[in-house]
Order: sequence, then structure tokens, then C-alpha cells
Amino acid sequence: KAGVTQTPRYLIKTRGQQVTLSCSPISGHRSVSWYQQTPGQGLQFLFEYFSETQRNKGNFPGRFSGRQFSNSRSEMNVSTLELGDSALYLCASSHEGANVLTFGAGSRLTVL
Amino acid sequence: DQQVKQNSPSLSVQEGRISILNCDYTNSMFDYFLWYKKYPAEGPTFLISISSIKDKNEDGRFTVFLNKSAKHLSLHIVPSQPGDSAVYFCAASRPGGSYIPTFGRGTSLIVHP
Repeated sequence: KAGVTQTPRYLIKTRGQQVTLSCSPISGHRSVSWYQQTPGQGLQFLFEYFSETQRNKGNFPGRFSGRQFSNSRSEMNVSTLELGDSALYLCASSHEGANVLTFGAGSRLTVL
Repeated sequence: DQQVKQNSPSLSVQEGRISILNCDYTNSMFDYFLWYKKYPAEGPTFLISISSIKDKNEDGRFTVFLNKSAKHLSLHIVPSQPGDSAVYFCAASRPGGSYIPTFGRGTSLIVHP
């Protein structure tokens, strides 16, 4: 069974630009979460979507947004990029109510 | 405010010896705890978990211990192997809602041959 797929795997942007990252969850998983990983900061929760609705949100500015489609695929968008947005962005999916998340390989964003 | 803390950023162990990774939490509402392992250029993968109704869970070479009164859990790897070299994340979740886990900052384990 296919895992969580994230695209693109690597991208480079400049300050002020915007970026969209995509995540295809495991078939049948309706919950999709996004995390940001930076050196020394661990995995910081961005938001979680379930059935096209944002159900939980972390402590990130409004420049970070996301959405989920009817097929459970999700996208996250970061507008007006800052140098500090350089990070690995991880998407994870799970069944409703499941404690265990299955992560994708991540999208490595570098902001110059 | 860090609710899940992994105070050791790194740990170095000899092959065959025991690796002990520690994690502390502050929120007494957490009732389910997980460990994930992450290799470079890959996403974290689930390793082992424990519910707050237990104090120990074992899976092969991996054992997780939970001390609720101390709000502390640890992951023991015995014997350690070079392939265990990775970053280990501790995570905790609360009951109800969507079970979104809170992660620690990770401990980088290096197992030397």
C-alpha cells in the first residue's frame, strides 16, 4: 500500500515569494497533519485537516495556511516567505482517532 | 512552553550496549506516549508506544518505560546496533479530539561499531 507522498521534495525560494506544498495521504486516511521541523526545534505542529475542515491549528502566523480536498489530499501554503521559514515540512496522515501518524518524507524548503 | 522535553540532543553508544533515551513531559493530561525514529532524508516512522495505564511496553529490542508520577518516559534499546543510529522523537497526546501529538525536539543517537 502506498505511503504518504509529498511533493516537491526540495525547493528553493527567495524572500517574499510564496510556496505551495502538496501531500497525498495513505488511502483511507482522512486526517492529515502538517509539521515544521527546524534544527533544534523538533516537530512543531502547523495544522490538522479532517474531511476538508481545519480541525486543529498550531501557533504559526497567518502566512501559513492549508486546505484539504474531498479526496483527502492536502496542500499547505506559505506566503511572503521569510528566511526563518527554511525548514523541512512534514505531512502525516492517520485514521480518525488513531494515535499513530504515518509521515511522508517531507518537503525541504530553503528560503534565500 | 515546551510540554515534551528531550534534554539530551545527542547520545553516543557502543554497538551491543544499551541505549537509553529520556523524555519528560509537563502536561498531566497526556495519556498516550509514542516514540518515532527518523533517518536523514526520510520522514519519522513510528517505533513503539505506551498507554498511561501501563508502565512498560516491549517490542523486540525496544522497551518503553513510563513513570507517571515523575512524568518521565524512557526508551531502551538492547542491544544497540549501528542501524539504530537516527534521531528519536518522543511524542505525547491527550484523550479526545484528534489525538494530535506534541513532539519533543529529538535525540540524535549514534551507535558506533
